[in-house]
Amino acid sequence: GAVVSQHPSRVICKSGTSVKIECRSLDFQATTMFWYRQFPKQSLMLMATSNEGSKATYEQGVEKDKFLINHASLTLSTLTVTSAHPEDSSFYICSVGRLDGQYFGPGTRLTVT
Amino acid sequence: AQKVTQAQTEISVVEKEDVTLDCVYETRDTTYYLFWYKQPPSGELVFLIRRNSFDEQNEISGRYSWNFQKSTSSFNFTITASQVVDSAVYFCALLSGGSYIPTFGRGTSLIVHP
Repeated sequence: GAVVSQHPSRVICKSGTSVKIECRSLDFQATTMFWYRQFPKQSLMLMATSNEGSKATYEQGVEKDKFLINHASLTLSTLTVTSAHPEDSSFYICSVGRLDGQYFGPGTRLTVT
Repeated sequence: AQKVTQAQTEISVVEKEDVTLDCVYETRDTTYYLFWYKQPPSGELVFLIRRNSFDEQNEISGRYSWNFQKSTSSFNFTITASQVVDSAVYFCALLSGGSYIPTFGRGTSLIVHP
């Protein structure tokens, strides 16, 4: 399988600030990576598909200007939550997609105060 | 369209009991993959098993076993002699149609009491 890391694992920020979350594919060159969001006691919700060298594809209802995704290399995708608000507090998970399945990072717990 | 149904929202058992988590899926594709993931309180998704649509053999891994039945479109997961460490949310997922994006069920929260 693929090994995926995320950084930071936990972040607390003040309302109005921006937060960047990194997702790294450690042993697999990933042209496609995915960002999910998970609210407490709910399933994973796909936010966007991150494509290396091109624009991300966002799911319906996800604000592109608020959740900036950059996939500058085959091993790194970043998600920046801009002007974060308390309602953005959530668990964010990235994954690397392969035809035999997805390999998930450990997740980042964002708390906006 | 693909769909995964985990009808059990929460299951509570006492340690050493056996427990089965149900998963029913829908897809029109003949080639697909089914998965089970465990999500403990830490949040990290732990991969448990992948099964492709052409392999209906049941699988056993220690206290875990999986029953794949295409006739009923089910991929159920049984934990034998449950332990407190099994307490987690378990997700069933379906990958089909050549997509990289799985469809997840809503998850079943398993609580194992000592």
